Amino acid sequence: EAQVTQNPRYLITVTGKKLTVTCSQNMNHEYMSWYRQDPGLGLRQIYYSMNVEVTDKGDVPEGYKVSRKEKRNFPLILESPSPNQTSLYFCASSPSGRGNNQPQHFGDGTRLSIL
Amino acid sequence: AQSVTQLGSHVSVSEGALVLLRCNYSSSVPPYLFWYVQYPNQGLQLLLKYTTGATLVKGINGFEAEFKKSETSFHLTKPSAHMSDAAEYFCAVRDSGGYQKVTFGIGTKLQVIP
Repeated sequence: EAQVTQNPRYLITVTGKKLTVTCSQNMNHEYMSWYRQDPGLGLRQIYYSMNVEVTDKGDVPEGYKVSRKEKRNFPLILESPSPNQTSLYFCASSPSGRGNNQPQHFGDGTRLSIL
Repeated sequence: AQSVTQLGSHVSVSEGALVLLRCNYSSSVPPYLFWYVQYPNQGLQLLLKYTTGATLVKGINGFEAEFKKSETSFHLTKPSAHMSDAAEYFCAVRDSGGYQKVTFGIGTKLQVIP
């Protein structure tokens, strides 16, 4: 089954304790992206990757890091989490390439609470 | 930079009534347009998309949307609301050029009243 898998689904942690949210897709998609969803703000893009070893900032990259060492994986790293990063996070993937008109496939989300 | 405006963060309709969720975009070139639906505690699912060709697009669950270039709009409609349509709906645009950036609207929560 084609899917985007995020882990963990829920996490409560404390300020400053490094954490990683994993994202894996099994569709051989080149494009992967991370979003955060906050009430009244919709989905805002954090980082995206056009392919392996190619990443770029989205609209709200501060406080986050990503890496793309393999095509299927795109982890989101919070080196020193702060309470303003409490949010619902989504990973998404799609085919890439110029003129690509394909929709994104989304994971089920990760709810992070940072105390 | 492109932007997406969804008018009305909350919309209430009676069961059986018309659903109309509005989406306007700003883009220098016609982008690709999508509507996604999010049910509680789930990720986003594609409802429908417009890329090229016919401007009236049909999606799943009886939804459709019409691309109007002159109005830079892509409003979502359904003739008769069902209780199961209660969810949050997001309009999104994707660059048709090289960078593939996707921009989402803030979402519209649809409430269906019995």
